Amino acid sequence: DTGVSQDPRHKITKRGQNVTFRCDPISEHNRLYWYRQTLGQGPEFLTYFQNEAQLEKSRLLSDRFSAERPKGSFSTLEIQRTEQGDSAMYLCASSLEVGGLETQYFGPGTRLLVL
Amino acid sequence: GEDVEQSLFLSVREGDSSVINCTYTDSSSTYLYWYKQEPGAGLQLLTYIFSNMDMKQDQRLTVLLNKKDKHLSLRIADTQTGDSAIYFCTRGGYQKVTFGTGTKLQVIP
Repeated sequence: DTGVSQDPRHKITKRGQNVTFRCDPISEHNRLYWYRQTLGQGPEFLTYFQNEAQLEKSRLLSDRFSAERPKGSFSTLEIQRTEQGDSAMYLCASSLEVGGLETQYFGPGTRLLVL
Repeated sequence: GEDVEQSLFLSVREGDSSVINCTYTDSSSTYLYWYKQEPGAGLQLLTYIFSNMDMKQDQRLTVLLNKKDKHLSLRIADTQTGDSAIYFCTRGGYQKVTFGTGTKLQVIP
């Protein structure tokens, strides 16, 4: 296991379509995060899981967005009825807290373009 | 608030030192981090500093923390073209992490 992986790396879709992204974290990490990053901005927090429980969701996460981590391993992020404003890079990160130090390791991201 | 502020852009000549500055408002974090993002890529952890430390050195990287002023800096010695990227400072790392807009470092050959 060499790191966090995300699939697909790129996605082009038409407005109104649904898309689903997958994130595979580092295997021993119990926390998993989703972020969204638009051009010229830093990543914005969307949601995070501890094991299979979704513990926090940003107000950025509208009703069209849903995330799951059914077995506490991989996670999916689904966007329903995509809008052009959803175009962004979607980043996943995983972490394991050790002695108060929690370092998030990021995947390469999924770049979404909504036409 | 949980704001993190950085200057947007820094240009240096290859071989010079780069200093990237960051100010933050929430001082409750145990650790502060620096991440690097190359074009089209995810974020790579560069280094971190424990909030009780003033300085940490890691090869070409030196992190300075001024808790009183809530100021964090990253110094890159002998800057190389491969250091060209966006650098983010973050606080926390426990639960959600707040990112600023980052500092884009341009290294001129």
